Amino acid sequence: GAVVSQHPSRVICKSGTSVKIECRSLDFQATTMFWYRQFPKQSLMLMATSNEGSKATYEQGVEKDKFLINHASLTLSTLTVTSAHPEDSSFYICSARIPSGGTQETQYFGPGTRLLVL
Amino acid sequence: QKEVEQNSGPLSVPEGAIASLNCTYSDRVSQSFFWYRQYSGKSPELIMSIYSNGDKEDGRFTAQLNKASQYVSLLIRDSQPSDSATYLCAPSGYGNKLVFGAGTILRVKS
Repeated sequence: GAVVSQHPSRVICKSGTSVKIECRSLDFQATTMFWYRQFPKQSLMLMATSNEGSKATYEQGVEKDKFLINHASLTLSTLTVTSAHPEDSSFYICSARIPSGGTQETQYFGPGTRLLVL
Repeated sequence: QKEVEQNSGPLSVPEGAIASLNCTYSDRVSQSFFWYRQYSGKSPELIMSIYSNGDKEDGRFTAQLNKASQYVSLLIRDSQPSDSATYLCAPSGYGNKLVFGAGTILRVKS
Protein backbone atom coordinates (compact mmCIF):
# COMPACT_ATOMS: atom_id res chain seq x y z
CA GLY A 1 0.00 0.00 0.00
CA ALA A 2 0.85 3.65 -0.18
CA VAL A 3 3.18 5.11 2.44
CA VAL A 4 2.21 7.97 4.71
CA SER A 5 4.56 9.30 7.36
CA GLN A 6 3.98 11.46 10.41
CA HIS A 7 6.36 13.44 12.54
CA PRO A 8 6.84 13.48 15.44
CA SER A 9 5.65 10.09 16.61
CA ARG A 10 5.39 11.26 20.18
CA VAL A 11 5.42 14.66 21.83
CA ILE A 12 5.15 15.83 25.41
CA CYS A 13 4.55 19.52 25.98
CA LYS A 14 3.53 21.94 28.66
CA SER A 15 0.04 23.36 28.83
CA GLY A 16 -0.30 26.53 26.77
CA THR A 17 2.30 25.68 24.15
CA SER A 18 1.65 24.93 20.50
CA VAL A 19 2.51 21.67 18.79
CA LYS A 20 2.93 21.08 15.07
CA ILE A 21 2.41 17.64 13.53
CA GLU A 22 3.48 16.87 9.96
CA CYS A 23 1.86 14.37 7.63
CA ARG A 24 3.59 13.39 4.39
CA SER A 25 2.63 11.15 1.52
CA LEU A 26 5.89 9.54 0.47
CA ASP A 27 5.17 7.84 -2.82
CA PHE A 28 2.14 9.63 -4.20
CA GLN A 29 0.60 13.08 -4.42
CA ALA A 30 -2.38 13.66 -2.18
CA THR A 31 -4.69 16.56 -2.90
CA THR A 32 -6.73 15.53 0.11
CA MET A 33 -5.55 14.47 3.54
CA PHE A 34 -7.58 13.83 6.65
CA TRP A 35 -6.84 14.41 10.32
CA TYR A 36 -8.31 12.14 12.96
CA ARG A 37 -8.16 12.01 16.72
CA GLN A 38 -8.50 8.88 18.82
CA PHE A 39 -8.97 8.82 22.56
CA PRO A 40 -8.22 5.63 24.52
CA LYS A 41 -10.63 2.78 23.82
CA GLN A 42 -12.59 4.88 21.34
CA SER A 43 -12.79 4.86 17.59
CA LEU A 44 -11.28 7.36 15.19
CA MET A 45 -13.05 10.68 14.96
CA LEU A 46 -12.54 12.80 11.88
CA MET A 47 -11.42 16.29 12.79
CA ALA A 48 -10.92 17.92 9.41
CA THR A 49 -10.30 17.43 5.73
CA SER A 50 -7.15 19.08 4.45
CA ASN A 51 -7.26 20.27 0.86
CA GLU A 52 -4.13 21.27 -1.02
CA GLY A 53 -4.19 24.95 -1.90
CA SER A 54 -7.41 25.76 -0.07
CA LYS A 55 -8.84 26.01 3.42
CA ALA A 56 -9.44 22.93 5.46
CA THR A 57 -12.94 21.72 6.14
CA TYR A 58 -13.61 21.10 9.82
CA GLU A 59 -16.09 18.67 11.31
CA GLN A 60 -18.80 19.93 13.61
CA GLY A 61 -17.49 20.72 17.06
CA VAL A 62 -13.83 21.05 16.02
CA GLU A 63 -12.41 24.51 16.65
CA LYS A 64 -10.63 25.70 13.53
CA ASP A 65 -8.72 28.38 15.44
CA LYS A 66 -7.36 25.80 17.84
CA PHE A 67 -6.47 23.14 15.30
CA LEU A 68 -4.73 24.94 12.45
CA ILE A 69 -4.30 22.96 9.26
CA ASN A 70 -2.03 23.88 6.38
CA HIS A 71 -1.79 21.83 3.18
CA ALA A 72 0.90 23.73 1.34
CA SER A 73 1.98 21.04 -1.09
CA LEU A 74 0.68 17.83 -2.63
CA THR A 75 2.71 15.75 -0.21
CA LEU A 76 2.55 17.66 3.07
CA SER A 77 -0.19 18.65 5.49
CA THR A 78 0.44 20.05 8.96
CA LEU A 79 -1.78 20.18 12.02
CA THR A 80 -0.93 22.71 14.71
CA VAL A 81 -2.56 22.33 18.09
CA THR A 82 -2.48 25.85 19.48
CA SER A 83 -2.39 26.57 23.21
CA ALA A 84 -2.59 22.89 24.01
CA HIS A 85 -4.28 21.78 27.21
CA PRO A 86 -4.34 18.40 28.95
CA GLU A 87 -7.70 17.56 27.38
CA ASP A 88 -6.01 17.76 23.97
CA SER A 89 -3.86 14.78 24.88
CA SER A 90 -4.73 12.12 22.34
CA PHE A 91 -3.54 10.03 19.41
CA TYR A 92 -3.58 12.16 16.27
CA ILE A 93 -3.58 10.25 12.99
CA CYS A 94 -3.51 11.56 9.47
CA SER A 95 -4.50 9.78 6.30
CA ALA A 96 -3.99 10.49 2.64
CA ARG A 97 -6.25 9.52 -0.17
CA ILE A 98 -5.00 8.29 -3.50
CA PRO A 99 -7.13 10.16 -6.02
CA SER A 100 -8.98 8.14 -8.64
CA GLY A 101 -11.83 10.49 -9.38
CA GLY A 102 -14.48 8.06 -8.25
CA THR A 103 -15.90 6.66 -5.04
CA GLN A 104 -13.30 3.89 -4.80
CA GLU A 105 -10.64 6.06 -3.23
CA THR A 106 -8.64 4.36 -0.56
CA GLN A 107 -7.26 6.16 2.47
CA TYR A 108 -3.88 5.17 3.86
CA PHE A 109 -2.99 6.11 7.39
CA GLY A 110 0.16 7.53 8.88
CA PRO A 111 1.63 5.90 11.99
CA GLY A 112 0.08 8.51 14.29
CA THR A 113 1.37 11.06 16.78
CA ARG A 114 0.79 10.60 20.46
CA LEU A 115 0.41 13.95 22.19
CA LEU A 116 0.65 14.34 25.95
CA VAL A 117 0.00 17.77 27.39
CA LEU A 118 1.14 18.23 30.96
CA GLN B 1 -28.90 4.86 15.89
CA LYS B 2 -25.17 5.02 15.27
CA GLU B 3 -24.03 5.46 11.69
CA VAL B 4 -21.87 2.35 11.83
CA GLU B 5 -22.58 -0.47 14.26
CA GLN B 6 -20.10 -3.14 15.25
CA ASN B 7 -20.14 -5.60 18.11
CA SER B 8 -17.38 -4.38 20.40
CA GLY B 9 -16.44 -7.91 21.48
CA PRO B 10 -14.06 -9.23 22.44
CA LEU B 11 -14.60 -12.01 19.96
CA SER B 12 -12.50 -14.97 20.99
CA VAL B 13 -11.68 -17.74 18.53
CA PRO B 14 -9.18 -20.60 18.72
CA GLU B 15 -6.19 -20.62 16.43
CA GLY B 16 -7.07 -22.06 13.03
CA ALA B 17 -10.77 -21.23 13.29
CA ILE B 18 -12.79 -18.80 11.21
CA ALA B 19 -13.41 -15.38 12.73
CA SER B 20 -16.55 -13.60 11.56
CA LEU B 21 -16.80 -9.84 12.04
CA ASN B 22 -20.01 -7.99 11.26
CA CYS B 23 -20.95 -4.39 10.57
CA THR B 24 -24.17 -2.56 9.74
CA TYR B 25 -24.38 0.99 8.47
CA SER B 26 -27.18 3.51 8.17
CA ASP B 27 -26.15 5.69 5.21
CA ARG B 28 -27.71 4.19 2.10
CA VAL B 29 -25.59 6.34 -0.21
CA SER B 30 -22.37 4.63 0.89
CA GLN B 31 -20.74 2.97 -2.10
CA SER B 32 -17.32 1.97 -0.82
CA PHE B 33 -16.57 -0.09 2.25
CA PHE B 34 -13.28 -0.66 4.00
CA TRP B 35 -12.00 -2.91 6.74
CA TYR B 36 -9.03 -1.72 8.75
CA ARG B 37 -7.05 -3.58 11.37
CA GLN B 38 -5.64 -1.65 14.33
CA TYR B 39 -3.16 -3.10 16.75
CA SER B 40 -3.02 -1.58 20.20
CA GLY B 41 -1.16 1.71 20.14
CA LYS B 42 -0.84 1.72 16.36
CA SER B 43 -2.68 3.40 13.52
CA PRO B 44 -5.19 1.57 11.28
CA GLU B 45 -3.94 -0.64 8.48
CA LEU B 46 -6.08 -1.36 5.41
CA ILE B 47 -7.16 -5.01 5.16
CA MET B 48 -9.88 -5.09 2.54
CA SER B 49 -12.03 -2.87 0.40
CA ILE B 50 -15.29 -3.85 -1.27
CA TYR B 51 -17.54 -1.93 -3.57
CA SER B 52 -20.01 -4.42 -5.07
CA ASN B 53 -22.54 -6.78 -3.54
CA GLY B 54 -21.23 -10.27 -2.94
CA ASP B 55 -17.94 -11.66 -1.76
CA LYS B 56 -14.39 -10.52 -2.29
CA GLU B 57 -11.52 -12.76 -1.29
CA ASP B 58 -7.91 -11.83 -0.60
CA GLY B 59 -5.79 -14.54 0.94
CA ARG B 60 -7.27 -15.55 4.28
CA PHE B 61 -9.68 -12.63 4.24
CA THR B 62 -13.14 -12.50 2.65
CA ALA B 63 -15.29 -9.40 2.69
CA GLN B 64 -19.03 -9.72 2.10
CA LEU B 65 -21.33 -6.85 1.17
CA ASN B 66 -25.10 -6.66 1.04
CA LYS B 67 -26.19 -3.12 0.24
CA ALA B 68 -29.90 -3.93 0.45
CA SER B 69 -29.43 -5.06 4.05
CA GLN B 70 -26.79 -2.38 4.70
CA TYR B 71 -24.50 -5.06 5.99
CA VAL B 72 -20.82 -5.78 5.48
CA SER B 73 -18.75 -8.52 7.05
CA LEU B 74 -15.19 -9.77 7.21
CA LEU B 75 -14.24 -13.42 7.50
CA ILE B 76 -10.77 -14.43 8.57
CA ARG B 77 -9.92 -18.04 7.81
CA ASP B 78 -7.24 -20.02 9.66
CA SER B 79 -7.07 -17.33 12.34
CA GLN B 80 -3.65 -16.73 13.82
CA PRO B 81 -2.63 -15.13 17.13
CA SER B 82 -1.15 -12.30 15.06
CA ASP B 83 -4.67 -11.51 13.84
CA SER B 84 -5.56 -10.40 17.37
CA ALA B 85 -6.41 -6.73 16.99
CA THR B 86 -9.33 -4.33 16.70
CA TYR B 87 -11.09 -4.46 13.34
CA LEU B 88 -12.70 -1.25 12.14
CA CYS B 89 -15.49 -1.12 9.60
CA ALA B 90 -15.56 2.10 7.57
CA PRO B 91 -18.11 2.91 4.90
CA SER B 92 -17.30 5.85 2.71
CA GLY B 93 -19.93 8.53 3.04
CA TYR B 94 -20.55 12.03 1.78
CA GLY B 95 -17.45 13.57 0.23
CA ASN B 96 -15.71 10.18 0.31
CA LYS B 97 -15.16 10.64 4.03
CA LEU B 98 -14.78 7.47 6.05
CA VAL B 99 -17.17 6.90 8.93
CA PHE B 100 -15.66 4.50 11.43
CA GLY B 101 -17.43 2.03 13.63
CA ALA B 102 -16.24 1.57 17.19
CA GLY B 103 -14.45 -1.60 16.16
CA THR B 104 -14.55 -5.25 17.18
CA ILE B 105 -11.78 -6.63 19.35
CA LEU B 106 -10.63 -10.02 18.07
CA ARG B 107 -8.62 -12.39 20.21
CA VAL B 108 -7.16 -15.51 18.67
CA LYS B 109 -6.08 -18.00 21.28
CA SER B 110 -3.25 -20.43 20.57
